[in-house]
Amino acid sequence: SQTIHQWPATLVQPVGSPLSLECTVEGTSNPNLYWYRQAAGRGLQLLFYSVGIGQISSEVPQNLSASRPQDRQFILSSKKLLLSDSGFYLCAWHSGGGYGYTFGSGTRLTVV
Amino acid sequence: DQQVKQNSPSLSVQEGRISILNCDYTNSMFDYFLWYKKYPAEGPTFLISISSIKDKNEDGRFTVFLNKSAKHLSLHIVPSQPGDSAVYFCAALTTDSWGKLQFGAGTQVVVTP
Repeated sequence: SQTIHQWPATLVQPVGSPLSLECTVEGTSNPNLYWYRQAAGRGLQLLFYSVGIGQISSEVPQNLSASRPQDRQFILSSKKLLLSDSGFYLCAWHSGGGYGYTFGSGTRLTVV
Repeated sequence: DQQVKQNSPSLSVQEGRISILNCDYTNSMFDYFLWYKKYPAEGPTFLISISSIKDKNEDGRFTVFLNKSAKHLSLHIVPSQPGDSAVYFCAALTTDSWGKLQFGAGTQVVVTP
């Protein structure tokens, strides 16, 4: 069965520090992968998506970046965090055979 | 530009009654719609979906209705149960868009005894 792992679950980082959030998928190959963010009181905003290794598309301009070094690994990074980067970050995948995403459990990031 | 809108941020309903959640969209190219349920500190879980070629889809206590001419869909939960208390997100996509879902802002449902 397919599973998605996302870590860490919570993270408190100072302004200006770097960020690395990791997401891995098991039980499937060549998934489409997505990073979403839920800011306080807001819906889910698509940040990045990837349809294959090394293929990253950005949906919104920001100081975050994403990478896909392996087929089932998706990484969200920042060189210098801003206060506005605080939020709940979600990784998701779908196989393309249907349209329902499977989401990871999320990372609560607080930038202080 | 918010293409999917959920104008009710919260909904309180009594246990056993019907919960009706509404969602409007602006992009006429959307051809697939989904509802997700989210508990605090967890990822959303898929609930039910509907293709634009249909106007109704039912799964147990959950029914989704689609009115394409009005660009409106709704989720009905009957009967509502305490475990239904969660945030519900409406989402939509065009099936040629690499599966990029556009989400609404969510509706917090509270089911009271």
